[in-house]
Amino acid sequence: EPEVTQTPSHQVTQMGQEVILRCVPISNHLYFYWYRQILGQKVEFLVSFYNNEISEKSEIFDDQFSVERPDGSNFTLKIRSTKLEDSAMYFCASAKDRAYEQYFGPGTRLTVT
Amino acid sequence: ELKVEQNPLFLSMQEGKNYTIYCNYSTTSDRLYWYRQDPGKSLESLFVLLSNGAVKQEGRLMASLDTKARLSTLHITAAVHDLSATYFCAVVFEGGKLIFGQGTELSVKP
Repeated sequence: EPEVTQTPSHQVTQMGQEVILRCVPISNHLYFYWYRQILGQKVEFLVSFYNNEISEKSEIFDDQFSVERPDGSNFTLKIRSTKLEDSAMYFCASAKDRAYEQYFGPGTRLTVT
Repeated sequence: ELKVEQNPLFLSMQEGKNYTIYCNYSTTSDRLYWYRQDPGKSLESLFVLLSNGAVKQEGRLMASLDTKARLSTLHITAAVHDLSATYFCAVVFEGGKLIFGQGTELSVKP
């Protein structure tokens, strides 16, 4: 069964460094999403992406964040200058259409020290 | 403002007992999901509820949706230890984004 994959599973970085989190969505899906979950808290929407552009972004998704689909398979989330409060689990999700169910990847745990 | 609220946030149950988790949401939506999350893991989809009055059951879990009241429930029947996890409801809003409730941490004790 097709699944969403994410790499790395755990990333440790120093404050101020740039990180890129990678996702490979399910191959025939067209809508892509990033969510984050701070430890012990709820899952929060960050951004949705369709047709090579951002469809919607939340207040959390400020200028430090960017997303890209650099080729036909990868979908990346970049944080330019990480802060301690960026420490969280980041989930990628994809869907055939925005009316269809989103499938979640296993997540990347980001730890900023 | 888009809000999804769950209660209770913490639930400690004895095996064999029944209980219900509630999910209220603030704005009209045509889909609601229930997810299970084990510690350090991703989200496992349990149910998708599409219409008013929808009821779905899987094993000891049953979910229902009342779109007029903007309320969904997740009912646990005769709880077992394996059901211990955090349960989230999530509502789809325009554009397809999911807005999650705070989660209900369920602990089932012998």
